[in-house]
Amino acid sequence: ETGVTQTPRHLVMGMTNKKSLKCEQHLGHNAMYWYKQSAKKPLELMFVYSLEERVENNSVPSRFSPECPNSSHLFLHLHTLQPEDSALYLCASSQDWGSGSSYEQYFGPGTRLTVT
Amino acid sequence: GQNIDQPTEMTATEGAIVQINCTYQTSGFNGLFWYQQHAGEAPTFLSYNVLDGLEEKGRFSSFLSRSKGYSYLLLKELQMKDSASYLCAVSDSNYQLIWGAGTKLIIKP
Repeated sequence: ETGVTQTPRHLVMGMTNKKSLKCEQHLGHNAMYWYKQSAKKPLELMFVYSLEERVENNSVPSRFSPECPNSSHLFLHLHTLQPEDSALYLCASSQDWGSGSSYEQYFGPGTRLTVT
Repeated sequence: GQNIDQPTEMTATEGAIVQINCTYQTSGFNGLFWYQQHAGEAPTFLSYNVLDGLEEKGRFSSFLSRSKGYSYLLLKELQMKDSASYLCAVSDSNYQLIWGAGTKLIIKP
């Protein structure tokens, strides 16, 4: 049990659908992250939230829209995705972000997304 | 650009020792992490090095040389459950983690 949960675990969606991924952390952390993991590629950081404020957005297409309503919850809203967006989407949290220190990240199990 | 290099795949025998290398070129350095990821599961934290030298944690050890931009993860007394991918990640000047593509470790009986 990592303390970070993600739903759904698997998602198949058409290119015209709208869906949302949900992440919840039970660790009392202040920072949350969305990553994309494709086969044999490095983890790609998509978004970082610190104390519910977005602090990083690594040139992610607008068809991905994050939302952080509070420090425990993080959403990734998806619309008009492309087949190349098929990947494992991982959520993570850490005690803090930046602040002069590097922090261990705790990951959720991921959502396996397939875009048809 | 920023780059993390690690071997794509390694094979080792149960009970043996294996060393997984990681070299990096990043804008700034605020520490290096190793994570383990079993197939279909979340990455889990193994170690963190920010100063040069060896950190030992049970069967796993991690080494860092900042001057060489080099780290390794050493796994001793290999067990079948150690079959997994091992991810190297460097915290850059902005405290953003730059990740390697991971090394898939296959353990054979």
